[in-house]
Amino acid sequence: AQSVTQLDSQVPVFEEAPVELRCNYSSSVSVYLFWYVQYPNQGLQLLLKYLSGSTLVKGINGFEAEFNKSQTSFHLRKPSVHISDTAEYFCAVSAANKLIFGTGTLLAVQP
Amino acid sequence: DTAVSQTPKYLVTQMGNDKSIKCEQNLGHDTMYWYKQDSKKFLKIMFSYNNKELIINETVPNRFSPKSPDKAHLNLHINSLELGDSAVYFCASSQVISGYAYNEQFFGPGTRLTVL
Repeated sequence: AQSVTQLDSQVPVFEEAPVELRCNYSSSVSVYLFWYVQYPNQGLQLLLKYLSGSTLVKGINGFEAEFNKSQTSFHLRKPSVHISDTAEYFCAVSAANKLIFGTGTLLAVQP
Repeated sequence: DTAVSQTPKYLVTQMGNDKSIKCEQNLGHDTMYWYKQDSKKFLKIMFSYNNKELIINETVPNRFSPKSPDKAHLNLHINSLELGDSAVYFCASSQVISGYAYNEQFFGPGTRLTVL
């Protein structure tokens, strides 16, 4: 069965610093992976997705993620964060008709 | 034009009451979902409808009953509300291909339900 693990519940970082949010997955079939962002009091919005092809996926707002099959990881990165990036970030894996979400990582950007 | 809309945005009610949450999508998608997000932000799927047919029904109490009058609407009715039902409920839609959720799911803004 597919599952997703987000290793960090909260990541504090200073503005303009780089950040990496970690995600590991478990899947016995072809993997389709997603990162979503949830700003305070809002719904989820897709940041990026990996379906196939290049393992480096670029998304919106300067985020990118790398699919690593050998390490079963799909970590999210941004080279320089802004205060406005403060939000909850969810990794998800597709599992036949539905998405299975990780428990989320709160990215807290400090000035 | 809002892609996925939900009403109401906030719902405060007493234990034992019955309430409904409505969801509409104007994206032409064939699949709609209901998720529950608890106070720790954990997001769990409850139901999914594809072309008005129920395809996912996770272990949800039968006090929760989804209804899909057409492809663009998926409503959630909750009977005999309990304290533990307090959460944010999200509706989402997507276009499912060959039984896999390849494409992104578009989420509504959420309905914050508080049961007193």
